[in-house]
Amino acid sequence: QKEVEQDPGPLSVPEGAIVSLNCTYSNSAFQYFMWYRQYSRKGPELLMYTYSSGNKEDGRFTAQVDKSSKYISLFIRDSQPSDSATYLCAMRVGGSYIPTFGRGTSLIVHP
Amino acid sequence: DTGVSQDPRHKITKRGQNVTFRCDPISEHNRLYWYRQTLGQGPEFLTYFQNEAQLEKSRLLSDRFSAERPKGSFSTLEIQRTEQGDSAMYLCASSLGKDTFGEQFFGPGTRLTVL
Repeated sequence: QKEVEQDPGPLSVPEGAIVSLNCTYSNSAFQYFMWYRQYSRKGPELLMYTYSSGNKEDGRFTAQVDKSSKYISLFIRDSQPSDSATYLCAMRVGGSYIPTFGRGTSLIVHP
Repeated sequence: DTGVSQDPRHKITKRGQNVTFRCDPISEHNRLYWYRQTLGQGPEFLTYFQNEAQLEKSRLLSDRFSAERPKGSFSTLEIQRTEQGDSAMYLCASSLGKDTFGEQFFGPGTRLTVL
């Protein structure tokens, strides 16, 4: 079993839908939880990160961390075709700069 | 463009050949990371530099792989005696070492195909 599990999809939704992406993990020492977006043939770019538990909102994006369930989520409101990409969750322990990535979920938002 | 740059963007080589990739980090970023990403998978950590010192290496980094960061600026990743299993995207990232989070900024990657 991998430390970070993420469903690869693809997840196909109509424009304007609310998208829910999630990851589970097994290492209870993880303290930083990140979401990256990766377009085809590009490097990942950080969308947002959360330290420890709780929610964080940034525009149309909301990240949630539930450490008791070892479960994190990214919600995208009013999804747009430009949101079509692979979304990678990543996590790391405090004091380390090395993240462990999930395999990514491919999201397709169709007009 | 002041982002992380990587060269070449694509490399096709024959099994057994040596290849070298270059990464230029964002200016003043003292941390530099190398990752490998295969199709349908997330990036896997290979190695990490703080300035010119190589501080951490993954067990994925076999003896055929070597990385350097002379003078703490650009970095090179060399793969000797390439194997078909080395075919992947090699990503470089850099970060500034002044905060506890240390956001990593990724380059566009070098796609390696070993025939």
